[in-house]
Amino acid sequence: AQSVTQLGSHVSVSEGALVLLRCNYSSSVPPYLFWYVQYPNQGLQLLLKYTSAATLVKGINGFEAEFKKSETSFHLTKPSAHMSDAAEYFCAVSSPRGSYIPTFGRGTSLIVHP
Amino acid sequence: KAGVTQTPRYLIKTRGQQVTLSCSPISGHRSVSWYQQTPGQGLQFLFEYFSETQRNKGNFPGRFSGRQFSNSRSEMNVSTLELGDSALYLCASSLSGQGAGEQYFGPGTRLTVT
Repeated sequence: AQSVTQLGSHVSVSEGALVLLRCNYSSSVPPYLFWYVQYPNQGLQLLLKYTSAATLVKGINGFEAEFKKSETSFHLTKPSAHMSDAAEYFCAVSSPRGSYIPTFGRGTSLIVHP
Repeated sequence: KAGVTQTPRYLIKTRGQQVTLSCSPISGHRSVSWYQQTPGQGLQFLFEYFSETQRNKGNFPGRFSGRQFSNSRSEMNVSTLELGDSALYLCASSLSGQGAGEQYFGPGTRLTVT
């Protein structure tokens, strides 16, 4: 069984500040991990994914995430927040074995203040 | 390349009615997955179709059903609608639905049951 926990349903930052969105996973096998972003009235868009290659993964829009096996974490960061980053962010885990269907976290709403 | 399209975008139905939602995947994608998104439950997997066959199924009652056509277009049907079925229904397509392949999401169909 696999699961994802996103700490904090809302994260508020000032424009230009560091963005840190937390994700912890549970998986019985080395997982695939994903971060998706959802803007209002839109579907989800992939930001980045980890597939057992480099542990530091760079994605679109300046986001990156680091896979830490010892902490079972895959936190999403961005050095400097922009107003356009305000959205809902979802962490997801899937298994390289079995059905590959991803399990999504509950999401974190990122609020960016001017 | 056209993205995933979903029709209709908005729908209002009455309890007890049935509804059919449509999803057209990206050209060449053979896997189509459906998700229900609600504020309370987050993103929940409904089912996945590949080559006209249901390959994976989530934990939803039999009122929720789907199918996939030879051109990979997919429909989902909800019969005997309940108030709790009000949600954003997202469709996602991928090349094979396996491995770490990215899922591409449509904008969703917002279903309101009154």
